[in-house]
Amino acid sequence: GAGVSQSPRYKVTKRGQDVALRCDPISGHVSLYWYRQALGQGPEFLTYFNYEAQQDKSGLPNDRFSAERPEGSISTLTIQRTEQRDSAMYRCASSYRTSGLNNEQFFGPGTRLTVL
Amino acid sequence: TQLLEQSPQFLSIQEGENLTVYCNSSSVFSSLQWYRQEPGEGPVLLVTVVTGGEVKKLKRLTFQFGDARKDSSLHITAAQPGDTGLYLCAGAGNNFNKFYFGSGTKLNVKP
Repeated sequence: GAGVSQSPRYKVTKRGQDVALRCDPISGHVSLYWYRQALGQGPEFLTYFNYEAQQDKSGLPNDRFSAERPEGSISTLTIQRTEQRDSAMYRCASSYRTSGLNNEQFFGPGTRLTVL
Repeated sequence: TQLLEQSPQFLSIQEGENLTVYCNSSSVFSSLQWYRQEPGEGPVLLVTVVTGGEVKKLKRLTFQFGDARKDSSLHITAAQPGDTGLYLCAGAGNNFNKFYFGSGTKLNVKP
């Protein structure tokens, strides 16, 4: 079956522009997570959703970052007025369960964002 | 600052050698997961450990969760080039939903 997909895979934008990154989770997965990952480092938690409800957004760096998942499926991470320091790989993951011991996350291929 | 520190950061060994990577924290976690990530791909879950002192084996890989659930180790026996990748540990909060990833260990196994 299809895994987690993200689009675009690569995004180059100019400083000050807004960008929207899309995540399409595995069908039937109720939880969705956003991470940011620097090269050679572990993913850094940004936010997560159970169904359409945003449960925790404590990892969002500042108020330029927002995320939504209006119908409990596809999610969009939006960065307004991008800055060069926003350049990174943005990864999405989904899981079948909302919690529990065997809560396995399946990661997408990521969107590489470059802010010039 | 990383909640979980992994060591070593880099490891380059010959095929057939054994190795151990470590994941340490001052925080207690409800569970700890180990992932392997290959270049250009997302992390893939290897194992989840839950109970303090728990040991799990996955073929040549042995995972251990510390008694106090603050640290973990991954031991690979007779490493193969296919083991090359970035190894990440991730600790889960109380609801097993929010995960904190370590800084990673980049392993290179030379043939």
